Amino acid sequence: NAGVTQTPKFQVLKTGQSMTLQCAQDMNHNSMYWYRQDPGMGLRLIYYSASEGTTDKGEVPNGYNVSRLNKREFSLRLESAAPSQTSVYFCASSERPSGGTDTQYFGPGTRLTVL
Amino acid sequence: AQSVAQPEDQVNVAEGNPLTVKCTYSVSGNPYLFWYVQYPNRGLQFLLKYITGDNLVKGSYGFEAEFNKSQTSFHLKKPSALVSDSALYFCAVRDIWTGGGNKLTFGTGTQLKVEL
Repeated sequence: NAGVTQTPKFQVLKTGQSMTLQCAQDMNHNSMYWYRQDPGMGLRLIYYSASEGTTDKGEVPNGYNVSRLNKREFSLRLESAAPSQTSVYFCASSERPSGGTDTQYFGPGTRLTVL
Repeated sequence: AQSVAQPEDQVNVAEGNPLTVKCTYSVSGNPYLFWYVQYPNRGLQFLLKYITGDNLVKGSYGFEAEFNKSQTSFHLKKPSALVSDSALYFCAVRDIWTGGGNKLTFGTGTQLKVEL
């Protein structure tokens, strides 16, 4: 049982390049989330998916798109990367649709640098 | 919107001494509070949560947290600190997002350093 996995672990992009961050969970969870972590700011929600087939914007969605490919996988796409998107990105999942008071389980993160 | 505040950027404590990492919250309605720990270059790991019931919540690795409604606080504690407890600690509160789903709103984190 791997929990939440993310690929890649590290990535360096040039401004304007695109990329997709992959996330998968093997816990049969319904809800999945994408956060970014910046120094001194905690974690901020980018997008979430309350259940398979649904996605919704979080606090900081600009410059990102997501796809809930199936129940297991939730990808985050940067269409045209900007230096302001340099951050550590975390995927998380929780058991019930829409999360409730469930614990969220986090992946190991992707460290992205945009030059 | 719900929020949490972690007033200390860093806490230093000697190994074997008790530790406290502070968190205060601001919510409308019932508070659902969480503590997570992040070791260097790792993801966040769940420690404990308060949903309802006893004000003293016990969690992983010997940590506990005390929910205090009158002081709107949810401080993380451990009776005897270990060097291996050195990490970044986040307090979080469950929030309802505009789309109706749930999310966690995190504090800015407190770096705990336990020294020999």
